[in-house]
Amino acid sequence: KNEVEQSPQNLTAQEGEFITINCSYSVGISALHWLQQHPGGGIVSLFMLSSGKKKHGRLIATINIQEKHSSLHITASHPRDSAVYICAAATGKLTFGQGTILTVHP
Amino acid sequence: NAGVTQTPKFRVLKTGQSMTLLCAQDMNHEYMYWYRQDPGMGLRLIHYSVGEGTTAKGEVPDGYNVSRLKKQNFLLGLESAAPSQTSVYFCAPPWGNDYEQYFGPGTRLTVT
Repeated sequence: KNEVEQSPQNLTAQEGEFITINCSYSVGISALHWLQQHPGGGIVSLFMLSSGKKKHGRLIATINIQEKHSSLHITASHPRDSAVYICAAATGKLTFGQGTILTVHP
Repeated sequence: NAGVTQTPKFRVLKTGQSMTLLCAQDMNHEYMYWYRQDPGMGLRLIHYSVGEGTTAKGEVPDGYNVSRLKKQNFLLGLESAAPSQTSVYFCAPPWGNDYEQYFGPGTRLTVT
C-alpha cells in the first residue's frame, strides 16, 4: 500500500461543477502539499497545509491531521482547471500520491 | 518556479550515450532534489543533496550519478543512457514549513 493515496485517479466534470479530490496518507507529516501540473507543463505549488483550511480564488484545501486526510476542492470548475493534481506528504522528504487527472468539459 | 532553472528542456539520446542535466537555484537552499516522473508511477526521488559537496541516494538511484560542487548547482548525470530512463526530470529545492514547494520547469528526456 502506498503511503500516500489519492482518489479518484481520473475525474471528468462539466464546466461549473464542484470538484473534490481526496488524499489519504499513512505516515506522520509536518505538511501536506497540493501541486498542479498542466499537460506537458511544469509543476506548480497550489497549497501547503499543516492544519485547517486554505483558500486561493476558486481553490480550497483542507486537512484533518487526526484522520490523515486532505481534500482539494474546486468551485465553479472551468476547462482551464484541466490538469493533474498531486498531493505530497512532507515527512522529512516528500512522498507523492499518484496524481488525479482532471478533465473539465465546456 | 522562481529561482530554479533546468537545462536542457528537451533531449533525445541514443542508448549508451551520456549526458548531464543541470539544476541551478538562486534561493540559497542547502537541500536539493532530483525526481523523475513517469506515467502511472508519479514522482520518484532519484538523488538528493543536503549541502555543497554532499549527495545521497533516493528511491531510484541506479543508472544515475550526481554532484553538488557548488551550492547553487546540482548536476544529474547519465553515464550510459537506457530506454528505461526515458522520463521527465524535475529538480526541486526543499519544502519548508514557511514556504511552498518549488519545482524546476523539467527536462523531457527520450532515450531511443
